[in-house]
Amino acid sequence: EAGVAQSPRYKIIEKRQSVAFWCNPISGHATLYWYQQILGQGPKLLIQFQNNGVVDDSQLPKDRFSAERLKGVDSTLKIQPAKLEDSAVYLCASSTTQGARETQYFGPGTRLLVL
Amino acid sequence: AQSVTQLDSQVPVFEEAPVELRCNYSSSVSVYLFWYVQYPNQGLQLLLKYLSGSTLVKGINGFEAEFNKSQTSFHLRKPSVHISDTAEYFCAVSEVQGAQKLVFGQGTRLTINP
Repeated sequence: EAGVAQSPRYKIIEKRQSVAFWCNPISGHATLYWYQQILGQGPKLLIQFQNNGVVDDSQLPKDRFSAERLKGVDSTLKIQPAKLEDSAVYLCASSTTQGARETQYFGPGTRLLVL
Repeated sequence: AQSVTQLDSQVPVFEEAPVELRCNYSSSVSVYLFWYVQYPNQGLQLLLKYLSGSTLVKGINGFEAEFNKSQTSFHLRKPSVHISDTAEYFCAVSEVQGAQKLVFGQGTRLTINP
């Protein structure tokens, strides 16, 4: 079974530029998550989708971050414009359905460096 | 809201020695508890989870954890570690009801020395 795929793996941009990350979840997984992991910290949930609808985006900085999952499968996370403090690893995860009991499967992440 | 504190940021141990990684949580409601492992340049992988029932939970790779409600702890243990256990370990908590999102601790870096 293929795991969660993410691209790119690494990205370096200058502040005020825009950047986009892509995630393809495990086939058949209805729930998709984006996390931000700053160096030395645990992952923090940015947004959760159930199919193509948003379940929770309470910690997404909506003035600069956006995410979509138009067809209920793959998803993109965008930052525009980027700030220095956005330097982090962006992790995508998926689960068969929503709910705390469900195991989340994580992708390898995209490491972003904002200069 | 719930929170997680991992009491050690780094734990060095010798190969074949036992190890305990400590995790305490804070929550006003019932919770589920999880341990994830992150190997270098990889995503997180579930080691084990406590949902209900027996407070001693066994996971993959010989790890186990014990849920202690009175002490609000969920410490991770392994009786004999290997070089391959070198990784970052994250404790996480989720409400049983309500938002049900994972809240992670800051991680513990386990380093195994030969």
